[in-house]
Amino acid sequence: SSELTQPPSVSVSPGQTATITCSGDALSKIYSSWYQQKPGQAPLLVMYKDTERPSGIPERFSGSSSGTTVTLTISGVQAEDEADYYCQSADTKYVIFGGGTKLTVL
Amino acid sequence: QVLLVQSGAEVKRPGASVKVSCKASGYNFTSNGISWVRQAPGQGLEWMGWINAYKGNTNYGRNLQGRVTMTTDTSTSTAYMELRSLRSDDTAVYYCARLTPVAGDAFDYWGQGTLVTVSS
Repeated sequence: SSELTQPPSVSVSPGQTATITCSGDALSKIYSSWYQQKPGQAPLLVMYKDTERPSGIPERFSGSSSGTTVTLTISGVQAEDEADYYCQSADTKYVIFGGGTKLTVL
Repeated sequence: QVLLVQSGAEVKRPGASVKVSCKASGYNFTSNGISWVRQAPGQGLEWMGWINAYKGNTNYGRNLQGRVTMTTDTSTSTAYMELRSLRSDDTAVYYCARLTPVAGDAFDYWGQGTLVTVSS
């Protein structure tokens, strides 16, 4: 399958841990990346190569991978983390994005 | 610092073409590929294709084969995306993004986006 599946929404209270999953066959063979997108803004890379955090991204963002599922974890969620999150990988020669997860900070 | 600056918003009639530009600065333009990603109103991200900024070879998404052409001008460090035979469902924000092989082919820098509206 050339699809990446994410939950449509995740809700957490400030200070709690948010977990966003992304599943797809491609993930067992090819690295994933995660992007944060706030309303009216371009996406921002927050994780690459499954577990690597770009410079400038807070340490509360972490990534993990197991088989055909990758996970973005945000520990100690803050109000500013409210956004849409997209996973991304590739299937042979095509880049694929997950459908996106809206993170709501209650 | 790395910057990708895109051209301004466009309004087009159905059946017309649009060409969006993406001017890069702050890095060696030919060292990285450029992808184009679009986002329809209220929808998710859709990958459109990729161009090797050095060699000019391309790889287009399945859904756009035959309607899209991506090019680069290395003399001005600018990438272009032309979409033809526009339809109303091509209305979207179009982004260019730098592809970085050392980051597992992640898109580490993005343009600010260009809104293309297709309406009669």
